[in-house]
Amino acid sequence: DAGVIQSPRHEVTEMGQEVTLRCKPISGHDYLFWYRQTMMRGLELLIYFNNNVPIDDSGMPEDRFSAKMPNASFSTLKIQPSEPRDSAVYFCASSSGTGYTEAFFGQGTRLTVV
Amino acid sequence: GENVEQHPSTLSVQEGDSAVIKCTYSDSASNYFPWYKQELGKGPQLIIDIRSNVGEKKDQRIAVTLNKTAKHFSLHITETQPEDSAVYFCAAPSNQGGKLIFGQGTELSVKP
Repeated sequence: DAGVIQSPRHEVTEMGQEVTLRCKPISGHDYLFWYRQTMMRGLELLIYFNNNVPIDDSGMPEDRFSAKMPNASFSTLKIQPSEPRDSAVYFCASSSGTGYTEAFFGQGTRLTVV
Repeated sequence: GENVEQHPSTLSVQEGDSAVIKCTYSDSASNYFPWYKQELGKGPQLIIDIRSNVGEKKDQRIAVTLNKTAKHFSLHITETQPEDSAVYFCAAPSNQGGKLIFGQGTELSVKP
């Protein structure tokens, strides 16, 4: 398996624009997590899905953020409209269980909002 | 637990020395404690984990110890090598749904 695949690797966008980050989890994993990493706040869990259903979105910072998982092999994280403070590295991870099993992370998407 | 504190935030050692990173957690019900290593430009990767039914686990040069009474666990790296340089994160499950709560990370630098 190629592991968790995220795209794009880098994204530079202007404030106010819509940004869509994409993730393909490892086949067979039924949990998918979206994390945001910044120097100030470290690794924050934004939302996670189980069997394509959002289970906990309490980490989503604002209504500008939304995430979907239309099928077992694809998920998106959308920011609309984007703001400079959204600049961060966004990671997608998948696992075969909850917090008690290994999570496999993608390479991340470095988002810069100017 | 719901809150995971990690220390130190940065650690610099000479090649061959040992490195120790410590974490404390708040939820006494937590029973799974993984450690992740993040190299530059990559996502975190699990290097070792421990469950609450054991006090220590070792894998070659890395080991993790757990003290459930004191609610802290530590990562020990012996005979450090330059390739050990990375950011290390501890984690523990939340008491809400089992999601992982990560510590703030420790940037380890191993000087040759």
